[in-house]
Amino acid sequence: DAGVIQSPRHEVTEMGQEVTLRCKPISGHDYLFWYRQTMMRGLELLIYFNNNVPIDDSGMPEDRFSAKMPNASFSTLKIQPSEPRDSAVYFCASRRSGTSNQPQHFGDGTRLSIL
Amino acid sequence: GESVGLHLPTLSVQEGDNSIINCAYSNSASDYFIWYKQESGKGPQFIIDIRSNMDKRQGQRVTVLLNKTVKHLSLQIAATQPGDSAVYFCAPRAGNMLTFGGGTRLMVKP
Repeated sequence: DAGVIQSPRHEVTEMGQEVTLRCKPISGHDYLFWYRQTMMRGLELLIYFNNNVPIDDSGMPEDRFSAKMPNASFSTLKIQPSEPRDSAVYFCASRRSGTSNQPQHFGDGTRLSIL
Repeated sequence: GESVGLHLPTLSVQEGDNSIINCAYSNSASDYFIWYKQESGKGPQFIIDIRSNMDKRQGQRVTVLLNKTVKHLSLQIAATQPGDSAVYFCAPRAGNMLTFGGGTRLMVKP
């Protein structure tokens, strides 16, 4: 079965440029989560969606960050303009809802470097 | 707010020995707990989970123990193998959100 698919795997760009990260959740999963991982702060939840609707975006650092989920099989995380401090690994995760507890499943991330 | 702490940032074990990775959490509302394994260049990979109404759960070579009284859980890996080398995270859940601590790095010596 295909897991969570993220693209690109690596992105290097200059500060000030727009960056768009993409995620395809596991089919049938109705929750989607975006995380950021750095050495200093570990794994931080940025935003999550349920049935394509943003539920909690309190982890989004600032207005330069935005996320969308136009349909059940696709989500984007956009940074505009990007800054060097945005350099991190960004993970997308998904899970299904249900009566029993369901774990989140992670993609392999996008390693973002802002020069 | 929630805080998750790990007692041993790095654990080094001999191949074939058992490993125990500990995790403390602070949010008493946490009702579900997941252990993840993260290898270099990859995303966290689900290992095993446990609900708050349980105190022990076993998988293949792994056992998770939960002590809600002291807000502590542990991951035991039997007969540790080189392929077990990774960073391990416990992730308590409250509501829809998981909280990740800093992780414990497990190093397996051949």
